[in-house]
Amino acid sequence: DTEVTQTPKHLVMGMTNKKSLKCEQHMGHRAMYWYKQKAKKPPELMFVYSYEKLSINESVPSRFSPECPNSSLLNLHLHALQPEDSALYLCASSRRLGLDTYNEQFFGPGTRLTVL
Amino acid sequence: AQTVTQSQPEMSVQEAETVTLSCTYDTSESDYYLFWYKQPPSRQMILVIRQEAYKQQNATENRFSVNFQKAAKSFSLKISDSQLGDAAMYFCAYRSARSGTASKLTFGTGTRLQVTL
Repeated sequence: DTEVTQTPKHLVMGMTNKKSLKCEQHMGHRAMYWYKQKAKKPPELMFVYSYEKLSINESVPSRFSPECPNSSLLNLHLHALQPEDSALYLCASSRRLGLDTYNEQFFGPGTRLTVL
Repeated sequence: AQTVTQSQPEMSVQEAETVTLSCTYDTSESDYYLFWYKQPPSRQMILVIRQEAYKQQNATENRFSVNFQKAAKSFSLKISDSQLGDAAMYFCAYRSARSGTASKLTFGTGTRLQVTL
């Protein structure tokens, strides 16, 4: 299984709502990533988890709260978002950090988030 | 800090023809990896091809090949026998080989490829 899955595919939320994005992989990867991608732009790294511990936070506002409950699952909890947070949120995984070889990232299909 | 530049925002190619997408990067490191990712309108980012900086031989994957010029810091992607399914946004990406860099990818701004009949 070489797939990263993300749910939901689409999400519309108000600025006062609390919602969560979910990402799952069963490739035995121990590094997982959250990216934000605006239209016609490259993905921007938000968070990196390594062995279920937060390794990198790219100065992301606290209204985004990541969680890695186990090695296969990565969540992104959303609260009090702004309309400018509307974007495609991509999850990715790779074997592990600091690896000597390609260690390429496998991406999920993304969640299209709209904040009203 | 590393930067990746894709100077062609859009390219067009006829079906069955060959097209080359350009990518240049800036780094002071000698050991790194380079990637081309494809993102079709369906949104899923797919790895197309990868290259290790210490390898002189250019990577090839079926109809996709790269021209890696380390001294010039250039990493172009050639697509041969273009197919309608090749239409997508193509991102060039750089990853340092240094430990402690957390496998962070630096992406270019992308090139949108159209394939016409």
